[in-house]
This record gives sequence, structure tokens and C-alpha cells, in this order.
Amino acid sequence: GESVGLHLPTLSVQEGDNSIINCAYSNSASDYFIWYKQESGKGPQFIIDIRSNMDKRQGQRVTVLLNKTVKHLSLQIAATQPGDSAVYFCAETDTGRRALTFGSGTRLQVQP
Amino acid sequence: GAGVSQSPSNKVTEKGKDVELRCDPISGHTALYWYRQSLGQGLEFLIYFQGNSAPDKSGLPSDRFSAERTGGSVSTLTIQRTQQEDSAVYLCASSFLGGINEQFFGPGTRLTVL
Repeated sequence: GESVGLHLPTLSVQEGDNSIINCAYSNSASDYFIWYKQESGKGPQFIIDIRSNMDKRQGQRVTVLLNKTVKHLSLQIAATQPGDSAVYFCAETDTGRRALTFGSGTRLQVQP
Repeated sequence: GAGVSQSPSNKVTEKGKDVELRCDPISGHTALYWYRQSLGQGLEFLIYFQGNSAPDKSGLPSDRFSAERTGGSVSTLTIQRTQQEDSAVYLCASSFLGGINEQFFGPGTRLTVL
């Protein structure tokens, strides 16, 4: 069935480095993508979203890149901080469906 | 409060018992979603409400699961005759209805079935 998946289950980086978390999706009809951050014991927290008519969107220290040709999504975090340590999920949906399909998550560990 | 709230935060029950989980969405959000997150897993969609109606129930795993929403606000997810495999964190999210919009999540209810 349609799915969203992540290449790396755990990513360990040094404080101050840039982090890149990748995600592949298989539903070619998807037109809306979101990255969520989830800390232990909490619900997912919105980081950034992107619609299919864009290939790049920037926020504060974060950038999302969308490559529709290869169905690939990435989250870049600049100058990673210890507070960025969490599990990151990509999610996708399409206008007709609304329900989000989530990837299995990548744990980001930031070493001081 | 300003965010999505859920109660209880934790629920421990015995196999075979019924449980009710509650979600209070953000005021003004007409769309409401229930998801389930099993240990170490991603989130699995259960059901979506548009106002008080549920146009998408495709994620409900069995007929033991049901949900309702009243007054376009509070929603209750009911699990009847709970099984151990129902143990998970149940997350609720809400959003504005127009187009596709960011879904804001609550803290979840951790359900443990003994």
C-alpha cells in the first residue's frame, strides 16, 4: 500500500553541525507534506510544511526540500542544538484525503 | 487552554473492559483526527471528523473501535472489550477545515491493557 518511510532510524550529530533527515514517500498523489518533531511523552509538534507546487521552503533554522520526481523529502536543521534532540516524523496527505500518513520516524541525537 | 487537550493522560485497564478517551480540540477547529502510536512506531490514522460527521473511518482497526463528536467540538474515542494489542498512545489532532492545513496535536492518552 501507499507508505512513507525514512532511510535512517537514528542520526547522531555534534552540536553546531547541520542535520539532514530524509524521507521517501510512495503516493504520487500526495500534495502536502509536513515535518513533525516529537519529544518523549509529548504529542508531535509542527516544524514546517510544504505543498507540492513548491520544491523548497525555509523556516527558522529549518529548510524542507521536496523532490517530486524521486518522491523524496528532506528536513535540514542548521546549527543543531541539544534542544533539537527528538524523533522527527515526515507525513503526507492529498487534498482528497486529509488524513496524514506518517513515516516511522528518525531519532536525532545531538552531542554537546 | 490554547492547545488540544486530551484526557486521561494515562489509562490502565484490564483486558475485556471498555475505555473512553476524550479530546478537546482547539476552539474554532472544525476538523478533528484520531491517530494511534504504538511503542516505537509512527502514527497510524484512525478516524477523521468534519464537524460532527466522520467522512473517513478507514483507519479504525476493528468494530470494537468507535468515535463520536458532539457540538462540533469534543470527541470521544471508545474501545470496547479491550485487547492487549490495543495498548498504545492515542493522539488527537485538530485543524481548520478549509483546504489542507497543519494539524495540531494533543499530548495523547497512553493506554495500557493488562
